[in-house]
Amino acid sequence: GAVVSQHPSRVICKSGTSVKIECRSLDFQATTMFWYRQFPKQSLMLMATSNEGSKATYEQGVEKDKFLINHASLTLSTLTVTSAHPEDSSFYICSAGTGSSDTQYFGPGTRLTVL
Amino acid sequence: TQLLEQSPQFLSIQEGENLTVYCNSSSVFSSLQWYRQEPGEGPVLLVTVVTGGEVKKLKRLTFQFGDARKDSSLHITAAQPGDTGLYLCAGAPGDDKIIFGKGTRLHILP
Repeated sequence: GAVVSQHPSRVICKSGTSVKIECRSLDFQATTMFWYRQFPKQSLMLMATSNEGSKATYEQGVEKDKFLINHASLTLSTLTVTSAHPEDSSFYICSAGTGSSDTQYFGPGTRLTVL
Repeated sequence: TQLLEQSPQFLSIQEGENLTVYCNSSSVFSSLQWYRQEPGEGPVLLVTVVTGGEVKKLKRLTFQFGDARKDSSLHITAAQPGDTGLYLCAGAPGDDKIIFGKGTRLHILP
């Protein structure tokens, strides 16, 4: 149980385009999901907390107008990178908790490359 | 700001040796998790420790939560090449979020 999926696993786009990444909890409902960003050989950095039915909470330094988060249902959160630039190239990972403990379960990640 | 300090940052040892990775903080956490991450994949949960002093074993991996719930350790016995990866500790300070350490990159040489 507690499986989280992400789609796509890899995406390459041109500078200036927008990219949407989906995060789904497959066998449980998640009122809260989290979006992380990871640069090579570094740890995970929390970008924002995605709340079902309400606005996301962004960490300091994360542009909410650039990284749009929508948590449309208890099993789906989406992250849209708008007007992507090469510096947005990174590994984006989502996670979700079951609500019964502090433990979070992570998706397999999405590798974004902006040319 | 609550921080989790992991040490060592890098560790390269021979197959069959034992090792310990540490995760320390000056703050109390309601729980600590250990994850292992391989390149190009998301972190995979290894264990969650909740009670101060708690010890959990997962085959050759032994996890301990400090009595004061401020630190944790991961001990691997007879390391194997398959243990190679990035080991991350993460703590829950009490709200929904978890905080990650910077990780320990472990490389087991065959």
